[in-house]
Amino acid sequence: AQSVTQLDSQVPVFEEAPVELRCNYSSSVSVYLFWYVQYPNQGLQLLLKYLSGSTLVESINGFEAEFNKSQTSFHLRKPSVHISDTAEYFCAVQGGSEKLVFGKGTKLTVNP
Amino acid sequence: GAVVSQHPSRVICKSGTSVKIECRSLDFQATTMFWYRQFPKKSLMLMATSNEGSKATYEQGVEKDKFLINHASLTLSTLTVTSAHPEDSSFYICSATDKQGRASYTFGSGTRLTVV
Repeated sequence: AQSVTQLDSQVPVFEEAPVELRCNYSSSVSVYLFWYVQYPNQGLQLLLKYLSGSTLVESINGFEAEFNKSQTSFHLRKPSVHISDTAEYFCAVQGGSEKLVFGKGTKLTVNP
Repeated sequence: GAVVSQHPSRVICKSGTSVKIECRSLDFQATTMFWYRQFPKKSLMLMATSNEGSKATYEQGVEKDKFLINHASLTLSTLTVTSAHPEDSSFYICSATDKQGRASYTFGSGTRLTVV
């Protein structure tokens, strides 16, 4: 079975500062990894995913995540955040079956 | 890109009544759909997985007679909360994927259910 740990439940940062949201996973099989973003009272939107190939994946809005197999991590980073990035971020893993296993989420709050 | 439509976005119902939530894949064939429940400030809890034309597979602890799932076509799955009670109040979200993986777990916009 897979599990996902998001170490930080809340991350407050100032606008234009860099941010890293941490995600570690455990699995006995090869995995696919995802980051989703959720705005209040909305569903989840895919931010980026790692399926294979390059371990560094990027989204269109400046986020990136790096798959590190040895550290079983898939941390999400952005060099300069905006107020509009304030949201809940979920890391998820899929391996061995079609189910996605989610972490508990990290609430990112960007302050002016 | 892949789009999943979920309806209604909000519903308030009286205790003891049933509520149906629809999840539609608009531009792809959803061979598999997932239903999640999200509690306030909590992660998503997978309730069940449904494949078109077959019975849903429920996660442990989820009452299949209370949460009826139907996946009658490749573009529509429904979740019916039967005899709803206040403790069923929650945010329900569906997700769909296709066999080719192109839809890659596209999520609906969620349904806020309030049982009064």
